[in-house]
Amino acid sequence: DQQVKQNSPSLSVQEGRISILNCDYTNSMFDYFLWYKKYPAEGPTFLISISSIKDKNEDGRFTVFLNKSAKHLSLHIVPSQPGDSAVYFCAASEVTNAGKSTFGDGTTLTVKP
Amino acid sequence: EAGVAQSPRYKIIEKRQSVAFWCNPISGHATLYWYQQILGQGPKLLIQFQNNGVVDDSQLPKDRFSAERLKGVDSTLKIQPAKLEDSAVYLCASSPVRGGGYTFGSGTRLTVV
Repeated sequence: DQQVKQNSPSLSVQEGRISILNCDYTNSMFDYFLWYKKYPAEGPTFLISISSIKDKNEDGRFTVFLNKSAKHLSLHIVPSQPGDSAVYFCAASEVTNAGKSTFGDGTTLTVKP
Repeated sequence: EAGVAQSPRYKIIEKRQSVAFWCNPISGHATLYWYQQILGQGPKLLIQFQNNGVVDDSQLPKDRFSAERLKGVDSTLKIQPAKLEDSAVYLCASSPVRGGGYTFGSGTRLTVV
């Protein structure tokens, strides 16, 4: 049973437009959520996170939204740039074991010039 | 700040052979994780250390996998004997505290033939 799901394996957007990556989770105990970005042949890089006490967290071009009732979070990238092309992983963790993160299978984002 | 170092980068072995991976986390990071990432999937936690103690190894196949973190710094992950399904990228990550974003190494790509 996959507790963190990224239902879109891939997404393609035009440079300058908004990219929206989605993530759903099933475990109601999850209360801390993270997004990682991964380039080929490299390890994932932490991008942005959000605690369940918030519904939005913003860092430059990246904004994460959390809808706890729907068990859904999304990552918005505005404006998208070709260098944003990568695999994006959603991850979730519980306060009782805040170090252990459960990852989704990733969404490959392609930003076209 | 130096990143998380892993070696080797690539390893090809025959099934039933043994293999070991090494990880040097960021200096001062108390928590160290080993993740397995099978192609097309997200990282899956194998084992989590806090200093030199094991916090979570519930998903580690203990009949063939073992890990240690001597003196709370470097860590090694061993597979003996390897199976074909162990082919994956093995990622090491560290964090200063339990929770928050991890810093991942570049991983070791293992191919079992």
